[in-house]
Amino acid sequence: GAGVSQTPSNKVTEKGKYVELRCDPISGHTALYWYRQSLGQGPEFLIYFQGTGAADDSGLPNDRFFAVRPEGSVSTLKIQRTERGDSAVYLCASSSPPLHEQYFGPGTRLTVT
Amino acid sequence: RKEVEQDPGPFNVPEGATVAFNCTYSNSASQSFFWYRQDCRKEPKLLMSVYSSGNEDGRFTAQLNRASQYISLLIRDSKLSDSATYLCVVPSGGSYIPTFGRGTSLIVHP
Repeated sequence: GAGVSQTPSNKVTEKGKYVELRCDPISGHTALYWYRQSLGQGPEFLIYFQGTGAADDSGLPNDRFFAVRPEGSVSTLKIQRTERGDSAVYLCASSSPPLHEQYFGPGTRLTVT
Repeated sequence: RKEVEQDPGPFNVPEGATVAFNCTYSNSASQSFFWYRQDCRKEPKLLMSVYSSGNEDGRFTAQLNRASQYISLLIRDSKLSDSATYLCVVPSGGSYIPTFGRGTSLIVHP
């Protein structure tokens, strides 16, 4: 079946702009995770959804970051007033049940200029 | 101490060699552990899950040492295609939040 998909694959934006990153998980997976990965580092947890609700958003770095999953499937990560330090690869993963094997999307490479 | 620590390497080994990586973790309450493989500019992919003392899948063996709080990954008969970064994942005890190590880079040369 179809895996996790993410769009766009690449996004270049200017400092201060607003961006939205989309994740389409594997059908039927209730758990959805967002991560951020910088060069030479492992993925850094941002937020975890169980169904429609954000079960844990403790990894979001500040209030410029927000994510939603209104129907328990597709999720959108939103970043306001982007900064150069936000440049990274944003990865989405889904699993069912939570904490079991996670399936990752190809990521969105965000570059803030 | 970081929650999950890995030697970043790189580990340079010839084809056919046996190589092992360790991953230490700080949360003694963690119950399940995972090894992921990540190729350059690609997403991580699950390699092995470890729920008890260990797991074996072909050339790959993962072992868990709860007393010393580390998990290891052993690769036998290394292939060129094994060249990648190997990420250790330890969920925070009592929660559903996975913590990734920074990964260990493996380079298998002819």
